[in-house]
Amino acid sequence: QSVLTQPPSVSAAPGQKVTISCSGGSSNIGNSYVSWYQQLPGTAPKLLIYDNNKRPSGIPDRFSGSKSGTSATLGITGLQTGDEADYYCGTWDSSLSAGVFGGGTKVTVL
Amino acid sequence: QVQLVQSAAEVKQPGASVKVSCKASGYTFTSYNIIWVRQAPGQGLEWMGWISAYNGDTHYARNLQGRVTMTTDTSTSTASMELRSLRSDDTAVYYCARGETSTRMDYWGQGSLVTVSS
Repeated sequence: QSVLTQPPSVSAAPGQKVTISCSGGSSNIGNSYVSWYQQLPGTAPKLLIYDNNKRPSGIPDRFSGSKSGTSATLGITGLQTGDEADYYCGTWDSSLSAGVFGGGTKVTVL
Repeated sequence: QVQLVQSAAEVKQPGASVKVSCKASGYTFTSYNIIWVRQAPGQGLEWMGWISAYNGDTHYARNLQGRVTMTTDTSTSTASMELRSLRSDDTAVYYCARGETSTRMDYWGQGSLVTVSS
């Protein structure tokens, strides 16, 4: 059971938009920055979003992040087949004194 | 370019120890932390802890304290993670990542599969 809760899967047609939610509590998302990672099949995770809504260089603006209270959201617009991957949210939990991740969300492009 | 290159896959018996290495290049090693994350087969990511490459300070996940040791060798820009008293549920791909903060990991190694089996 992950500390952060994500939906197991989301799907949409090419060109459409998907959003992935990440729900936590006051000891984690409510008090810390959120990062998002993309993991393509058989590869290492890749940083997509940091500090709730910032994109590292090279990450297209089709990917966006937001945070409100104890929840965060990753948005992907203009969905492409290459976006099929697992997506994870992560943050710091002050009660556990540890980093924590969501259980991951599988994005399927129909 | 920033690269983290990890050691090869290993098979260990229950009760044994494993040491995974992570050689960094393309940046000033001592300016960042190294964070270790593992992923059991078909499962999600688990944060294991971090080490400061600047001064060697460490912070481990509570469920691993007593069994894990993270170290760095600044002369070779290499980080290592040793896990002792291995159990079958330690079977996982182990990743090292460069950490700008405790949870912002901007570059990752390719992963090292550790299989614990008798």
